Amino acid sequence: NAGVTQTPKFQVLKTGQSMTLQCAQDMNHNSMYWYRQDPGMGLRLIYYSASEGTTDKGEVPNGYNVSRLNKREFSLRLESAAPSQTSVYFCASSETSGGYLSTDTQYFGPGTRLTVL
Amino acid sequence: AQSVAQPEDQVNVAEGNPLTVKCTYSVSGNPYLFWYVQYPNRGLQFLLKYITGDNLVKGSYGFEAEFNKSQTSFHLKKPSALVSDSALYFCAVNAATASKLTFGTGTRLQVTL
Repeated sequence: NAGVTQTPKFQVLKTGQSMTLQCAQDMNHNSMYWYRQDPGMGLRLIYYSASEGTTDKGEVPNGYNVSRLNKREFSLRLESAAPSQTSVYFCASSETSGGYLSTDTQYFGPGTRLTVL
Repeated sequence: AQSVAQPEDQVNVAEGNPLTVKCTYSVSGNPYLFWYVQYPNRGLQFLLKYITGDNLVKGSYGFEAEFNKSQTSFHLKKPSALVSDSALYFCAVNAATASKLTFGTGTRLQVTL
């Protein structure tokens, strides 16, 4: 049982390049999330998926797109990377779906450290 | 809008002493409160949560937290700190009517011998 896995662990991009961050969970969870972590700002929600086939914007969605490929996988795409997107990106998942997100415990992956030059 | 404040960027404690990491929150309605810990170069790990019931919540690794509705606080505590407790601690809140978790900025706990 690997929990939440993320690839790659590290990535360096040049401004304007694109890339996709991959996330998978093996806990049969319904909800999945993408966060970014910046110094002094805690974690901020980029996008989330409350169930397979649905995605919603979080606090800081601009410059990102997501795909909930199936129940296990939730990818985050940067179409044209900018230096402001230099950050550590975390994927998380939680068990329930729909309107019961409030009490859910979220389980986090190890993170992807992205640098945009 | 919901928010979380962790007023201390860093807390320093000697091993064996009790530790407290502070958290205050603001939400409309009932709060659901969480503590997570992050070790260097790792993802966040769940420690404990308050949903309802007893105001004292016990969690992993000997940590506990006390929910205080009148002071809108949810401080994390441990009776006897270990060097291995050194990490970054995040408080988070969700309201019953919200659909996302709001995190604080984190408090770095440093436990020394």
